Order: sequence, then structure tokens, then C-alpha cells
Amino acid sequence: DSGVTQTPKHLITATGQRVTLRCSPRSGDLSVYWYQQSLDQGLQFLIQYYNGEERAKGNILERFSAQQFPDLHSELNLSSLELGDSALYFCASSGTGQGMSEQFFGPGTRLTVL
Amino acid sequence: GQQVMQIPQYQHVQEGEDFTTYCNSSTTLSNIQWYKQRPGGHPVFLIQLVKSGEVKKQKRLTFQFGEAKKNSSLHITATQTTDVGTYFCAGPARAGNMLTFGGGTRLMVKP
Repeated sequence: DSGVTQTPKHLITATGQRVTLRCSPRSGDLSVYWYQQSLDQGLQFLIQYYNGEERAKGNILERFSAQQFPDLHSELNLSSLELGDSALYFCASSGTGQGMSEQFFGPGTRLTVL
Repeated sequence: GQQVMQIPQYQHVQEGEDFTTYCNSSTTLSNIQWYKQRPGGHPVFLIQLVKSGEVKKQKRLTFQFGEAKKNSSLHITATQTTDVGTYFCAGPARAGNMLTFGGGTRLMVKP
């Protein structure tokens, strides 16, 4: 158990809909990272937050947005969903905002768009 | 932008055989990290290498960081079925604080 929690575990929805994925980092970690992993694919970095502020942005679509709240939990919002958005979405946390830090991954949310 | 590539993409081995995965970056890395993802699981941090030419061992796993800090390798001696999974290397992007992950090497071990 990494100490990072993600809800829900599974999500099935239809095209055009909007969903929210939630992540709670390890106790004390200030950084939260979101990744997308499609079937048999690597980890695509989406976005990073550090202590409530956006720190780095990867290949995140404009239909996707995220935020980190004062209690440090984070939400990833996916809207106008398309079939191609079906994937595993991982949240990770680290103690610092630097790329030197190891990241602790949550169990992931499996999103299926029908 | 920075690219991190891993080869091979897949590797089937007989239990007891050795296994090596290679990681190459298009830019010099300040450090490199290795993660393992079991089937159906999430990536788990294995190790971080920082120094040029560094070699670290964890039981049957040997990790190396190249002299130029642009490549790395993970070698598993005498694989076991518990080694099954996908091994990812990752390095920090030059700009920003994100990690760039390689595409991973999926290891399958036949008992």
C-alpha cells in the first residue's frame, strides 16, 4: 500500500459525459501528479500540482482540467468524453515538487467510455 | 522535447534465465528512476541512480547509470515468476519538474 488513495476504482460512462477522479496523496506529500495509461501503453504525464498550485503540464487535453485543494487532495476532471479517453488514470504523490523525488502511485481509476 | 526510450518492448524468458532492459534518453539526466508495475497493479518505485557510472544492486536486480548519464540498464539474474511485470525507467525533464517515463519493458517468465 503506497498510502495514495484514488476513487473511484472503476468508472463506466458514455461519450460526451463528464467525470471527476479523486486522489488523496500520502500524508505529508505536497505534490500530486496525474498520469494516463492506455492499454499496453506507457505512462503519459498529464499535470502536476504542488501545494495547491499548478507546477508542470504535460500532454493534457483542453477537455481535461485538474486542481489541488487546501487539504492537498486533487481532482482530475474529464469532460466531453470520447472513446479514446478510456484508460487507467493514475495519481502519484511525492514529498517535494522536484523531479529528483520518487513518486508513490495510487491504485488507479479505470475509466471506460462507451 | 526530451525522449526516453526503452528496449526491448517485450521479453519472454524461461524461469532461471537472465533478463536485461535498456533505457536511453535524448538528453543528459540528473538522475534516473526505475519502477515496476505488476499486471493489474500500479507502478512501484524500485530505485534511483544519481551519479555517473553508478551501479546499485537489490538482491537479483542490478541497476546501472551510464557514464554520460544518458542511458541506464536493469539486469535481473535468474528470473523468477515473481519478476513478471512491466519495468519503466523515468528521468526528470530538463524544464519543469515532471518525470518522463520510458515506454516500459514487459517481462513474461515461463515456469
